[in-house]
Amino acid sequence: GAVVSQHPSWVICKSGTSVKIECRSLDFQATTMFWYRQFPKQSLMLMATSNEGSKATYEQGVEKDKFLINHASLTLSTLTVTSAHPEDSSFYICSAAGQGWSEQYFGPGTRLTVT
Amino acid sequence: LAKTTQPISMDSYEGQEVNITCSHNNIATNDYITWYQQFPSQGPRFIIQGYKTKVTNEVASLFIPADRKSSTLSLPRVSLSDTAVYYCLVGAFSGGYNKLIFGAGTRLAVHP
Repeated sequence: GAVVSQHPSWVICKSGTSVKIECRSLDFQATTMFWYRQFPKQSLMLMATSNEGSKATYEQGVEKDKFLINHASLTLSTLTVTSAHPEDSSFYICSAAGQGWSEQYFGPGTRLTVT
Repeated sequence: LAKTTQPISMDSYEGQEVNITCSHNNIATNDYITWYQQFPSQGPRFIIQGYKTKVTNEVASLFIPADRKSSTLSLPRVSLSDTAVYYCLVGAFSGGYNKLIFGAGTRLAVHP
């Protein structure tokens, strides 16, 4: 299957700082990338969908000024959590799909802890 | 997007066949049915996808009845390493991509 990577795998930051998470498709061109967050013992919640070269589409209730998404190339999307607070601590997972694909391939996730 | 309902948890033993059924009564004509597996602190892994009838790959089979209001993921001869959460998703491939909304999933525990 297609391979998606994320960096970093975990990060600890102080409250009020910003954190950037990268998502890369390693062996295919990802025309669409998705960002999810997952709290312990809960399911994945879709945050936003981004198409290469376009602005991201955010799900209802997700603050687009707080969670900045950039999908500047066909292999890279970034999620920046701005002015992070402890309640932003979560597991952030990206997924990617190629042109015309009906399935998505997920990255390994990034554990964010805000102190 | 169609809502899915799965059992919260299931238990099985090594070597047994496990069938996880998902109901999606409001599935739309354009919707595909996709199953993912997730281990703790990892991203979900694609297992299988289908539209109707039966689909089989090297790890699982997916049975979809004619009315498509439910689907069953079949895992043959499970092992301890199959202990995970399994998600059934129904999504429409439109606008160039397939938007997936995750439900609660089924926690499968495989015992020795």
